[in-house]
Amino acid sequence: RKEVEQDPGPFNVPEGATVAFNCTYSNSASQSFFWYRQDCRKEPKLLMSVYSSGNEDGRFTAQLNRASQYISLLIRDSKLSDSATYLCVVNILTDSSYKLIFGSGTRLLVRP
Amino acid sequence: NAGVTQTPKFQVLKTGQSMTLQCAQDMNHNSMYWYRQDPGMGLRLIYYSASEGTTDKGEVPNGYNVSRLNKREFSLRLESAAPSQTSVYFCASSESQGYGYTFGSGTRLTVV
Repeated sequence: RKEVEQDPGPFNVPEGATVAFNCTYSNSASQSFFWYRQDCRKEPKLLMSVYSSGNEDGRFTAQLNRASQYISLLIRDSKLSDSATYLCVVNILTDSSYKLIFGSGTRLLVRP
Repeated sequence: NAGVTQTPKFQVLKTGQSMTLQCAQDMNHNSMYWYRQDPGMGLRLIYYSASEGTTDKGEVPNGYNVSRLNKREFSLRLESAAPSQTSVYFCASSESQGYGYTFGSGTRLTVV
């Protein structure tokens, strides 16, 4: 079983739509959680951290459910520029070192 | 502000050849990482360096070696390239382990 699992998509939505991505992680020792965005043939870039209380950054809302080991990302009022792959990322403490473990990503296509 | 610089951007190797991927960061970060990204697999950690003078294996270290030359530079060496090492390689750095990764733009390596 993968440590971080995501639906690969693609999610194909019209501009203005609301779309939600989910992610599950297997290691209960996970310390912190993030969403990264990766454009085609580019490097990943941090989109937002995910806090237990949930957090919002403009049109983006992230939620964490530790009991269910589940993370979500909600995008409201989708823009064409939101088209990208969204990576769910978990920070795990192993052997006295922290490491980021990346999901395979969920691809989003926003159409006009 | 260059961030994380990787060289080369593209490389084609023949099976059995060796090469070194270079990575340098100018953000005075303590930790540096090498990942590979393959379709459907997400980013997988090859090696990391929690601080200058230390290196540790990640998830997929076989066939690779690393050197943390100084605080700025972290290189990845393929001693005898194999077709299975065809991938996109990303270097990343962070001020502390597991947080705020900044990625380089990647090296696209093909082994024929």
